[in-house]
Amino acid sequence: KQEVTQIPAALSVPEGENLVLNCSFTDSAIYNLQWFRQDPGKGLTSLLLIQSSQREQTSGRLNASLDKSSGRSTLYIAASQPGDSATYLCAPGDYGGATNKLIFGTGTLLAVQP
Amino acid sequence: SQTIHQWPATLVQPVGSPLSLECTVEGTSNPNLYWYRQAAGRGLQLLFYSVGIGQISSEVPQNLSASRPQDRQFILSSKKLLLSDSGFYLCAWSGGGEVGGYTFGSGTRLTVV
Repeated sequence: KQEVTQIPAALSVPEGENLVLNCSFTDSAIYNLQWFRQDPGKGLTSLLLIQSSQREQTSGRLNASLDKSSGRSTLYIAASQPGDSATYLCAPGDYGGATNKLIFGTGTLLAVQP
Repeated sequence: SQTIHQWPATLVQPVGSPLSLECTVEGTSNPNLYWYRQAAGRGLQLLFYSVGIGQISSEVPQNLSASRPQDRQFILSSKKLLLSDSGFYLCAWSGGGEVGGYTFGSGTRLTVV
């Protein structure tokens, strides 16, 4: 059974800092891995999707890497801004034969101080 | 473009009452559909998924059921709500295969009193 761990559970940084969020998963036989952000009381917004054959994906100030064999992914946020404050969720996709099922960690709560 | 609609946004229901949450997807055909629940202080848990009309797979035993009466409609139901059914319910869709990233709806906050 896939288990996902995100470290740290919470992080507070001053505006402008570069930061790294870590995600580890126990079953490396994944289909893909997706990073989301969740604002309080809201749904999930997709940030980056990395297919199992890829090593990284970039979107603006965000860069996500995937090391499938070691069961790790990182999300790098450059020049953080107060608007980046949210919970960040990592979700590897387990291919259950019929569909891709995302398994979530408990997230990293990020606070960027102005 | 594809959009996903989920309603209602907020719901307060008494214990023992029925439940029906609806999710619809626009701009795509034959999507994979999912229901997740996020309990307070816990991660998202996959409840049900569907790869086609009438095809429902349950991930955890519980008081809830799901149905897919139309290609782009996914319904979460209960005949009698329990206090433990309280949580944030999220519907999602994916296109499957190598492009199978998930898109989530805005969620329904259910409080059972």
